Amino acid sequence: AQSVSQHNHHVILSEAASLELGCNYSYGGTVNLFWYVQYPGQHLQLLLKYFSGDPLVKGIKGFEAEFIKSKFSFNLRKPSVQWSDTAEYFCAVRRGYSGNTGKLIFGQGTTLQVKP
Amino acid sequence: EPEVTQTPSHQVTQMGQEVILRCVPISNHLYFYWYRQILGQKVEFLVSFYNNEISEKSEIFDDQFSVERPDGSNFTLKIRSTKLEDSAMYFCASKTQDFYEQFFGPGTRLTVL
Repeated sequence: AQSVSQHNHHVILSEAASLELGCNYSYGGTVNLFWYVQYPGQHLQLLLKYFSGDPLVKGIKGFEAEFIKSKFSFNLRKPSVQWSDTAEYFCAVRRGYSGNTGKLIFGQGTTLQVKP
Repeated sequence: EPEVTQTPSHQVTQMGQEVILRCVPISNHLYFYWYRQILGQKVEFLVSFYNNEISEKSEIFDDQFSVERPDGSNFTLKIRSTKLEDSAMYFCASKTQDFYEQFFGPGTRLTVL
């Protein structure tokens, strides 16, 4: 069965530190990849997505992610975090062919706490 | 900016009772989803709905669950006889086209006592 694994459950960083959150998936076919963020008390919002093309994708708020097909990975990065980045981050995958339902398979989430 | 809305934000019910969770997807969206997240666990897919019918459901989505789009704007999830293990945050999502992102609602926290 398709699955998504996020390596870090809880990350604590100081402001201005660099961030990398790992995400691996277990599906051999074409995939679409997503990172969602959930700020405290808010709903899931899309940070960035990969469908095809340049494997380095840039999202909102200075986030980027790199799709490495050979490693089945889609790690999220930010060079310098801010206190306002404190949130829960979810990696998600869907099968990348048309006609499927487009359901998302989520990782277990990573809680990021940024200390001012 | 259009948003997916969900009501209520928190529902408390007794075991065995029926609950209906309501969602209003973004108006021009065609694909609708329910997900749930039990506290401390992953967000899990429950069901997808397109063209007025279920297009896929997970093994969680048994006969106790049903979905409806009764009036072209609401999208509801009904649990006929709630169990303790149904306590979770339930998220509704929608999207306009196949390869577009899903927009999520704020969730309904269901507590079954």
